[in-house]
Amino acid sequence: GNSVTQMEGPVTLSEEAFLTINCTYTATGYPSLFWYVQYPGEGLQLLLKATKADDKGSNKGFEATYRKETTSFHLEKGSVQVSDSAVYFCALSVGAGNMLTFGGGTRLMVKP
Amino acid sequence: KAGVTQTPRYLIKTRGQQVTLSCSPISGHRSVSWYQQTPGQGLQFLFEYFSETQRNKGNFPGRFSGRQFSNSRSEMNVSTLELGDSALYLCASSPHEGARTEAFFGQGTRLTVV
Repeated sequence: GNSVTQMEGPVTLSEEAFLTINCTYTATGYPSLFWYVQYPGEGLQLLLKATKADDKGSNKGFEATYRKETTSFHLEKGSVQVSDSAVYFCALSVGAGNMLTFGGGTRLMVKP
Repeated sequence: KAGVTQTPRYLIKTRGQQVTLSCSPISGHRSVSWYQQTPGQGLQFLFEYFSETQRNKGNFPGRFSGRQFSNSRSEMNVSTLELGDSALYLCASSPHEGARTEAFFGQGTRLTVV
């Protein structure tokens, strides 16, 4: 079956620190990969996506590269802000339709 | 453009009752999916509808059902509620038939079963 594994949180960083959240996947087929972010009391917002190997998704300073050889899609940001504090979900979609399989989520806390 | 709208935002029900949750997708979006979010199980896919037809279904008991109307609005129903059904239920819409397109989520309905 399909699955997504994310690093456990919480991840606590100081403002302007470098962020990496690891994500690896298992999929039957050739998935599209996504990062979603959830702020307290909110639904999920798409942060970035990649649809084929070696694609790099980027948005708001966040980046992730689709690595087929390592089945990974790690999220990175060079300098985090307090406003980046949220829960981050890695997800994949494969096959017909728009069904998403999510990782367990990683809570990020950024301290001033 | 208005986002995905879910109603109600909060709901408290008693064990054994049934509940109906509503989702209005972004205008023009024809695919609607539902997810259950709990602290223990995380985000789990319930079902997806496209053009009033169920296209995908997750691994949930038959107490969970859904439907989609001709205007793309969707409802999900949970019958014979159990305490474990307490969760945040999220609806997402996607713009077209194509697979694996990005999903736009509503704020969710927080269901508490007592």
